[in-house]
Amino acid sequence: KQEVTQIPAALSVPEGENLVLNCSFTDSAIYNLQWFRQDPGKGLTSLLLIQSSQREQTSGRLNASLDKSSGRSTLYIAASQPGDSATYLCAAYSGAGSYQLTFGKGTKLSVIP
Amino acid sequence: NAGVTQTPKFRILKIGQSMTLQCTQDMNHNYMYWYRQDPGMGLKLIYYSVGAGITDKGEVPNGYNVSRSTTEDFPLRLELAAPSQTSVYFCASSYSSRGRRYEQYFGPGTRLTVT
Repeated sequence: KQEVTQIPAALSVPEGENLVLNCSFTDSAIYNLQWFRQDPGKGLTSLLLIQSSQREQTSGRLNASLDKSSGRSTLYIAASQPGDSATYLCAAYSGAGSYQLTFGKGTKLSVIP
Repeated sequence: NAGVTQTPKFRILKIGQSMTLQCTQDMNHNYMYWYRQDPGMGLKLIYYSVGAGITDKGEVPNGYNVSRSTTEDFPLRLELAAPSQTSVYFCASSYSSRGRRYEQYFGPGTRLTVT
């Protein structure tokens, strides 16, 4: 069974700093991995999707990488802003036959002005 | 496009009551999902559907039922509500073709309290 872990549970950084959020998964037969953002009391907003055949995806100041062999994905946020403050979740499909996304518990990011 | 819409936004139920959470998507996605999110526990899949007329259980299906009569709608039914069903419920949808799975898009959620 796939398990997804995000460490740390919370992170506080000063505005302007570059930062990396971590996501690890136990089943390397991952199909794809998706990063989401969740603001308090809101739904999830998709940030990036990495297919298993890809090593990274970029969108604006965000860059997500995927290393199946080590069971890790990272989300890099460049030049952080207070508006980036939110909880970031990663989720993975396990294998080609799986219809179930397994979610990590998220990292709560606070960007201090 | 409105994306994924959910109603109601909030609801308080008494123990033993029943209700239906509505979910509609206008993206012509074939896959739809229901999740629940509990504090500190992450999101858990309740039920999913790969197309109209086809549904299957996820990780935590007990106490819930679903149906999918159209591509757009995927209602979640709670029978005999229990305090353990107090949670935030999210509906999501995605497109899948030839084995490829694309991004899941989420609705704004329904916050349910059972007392």
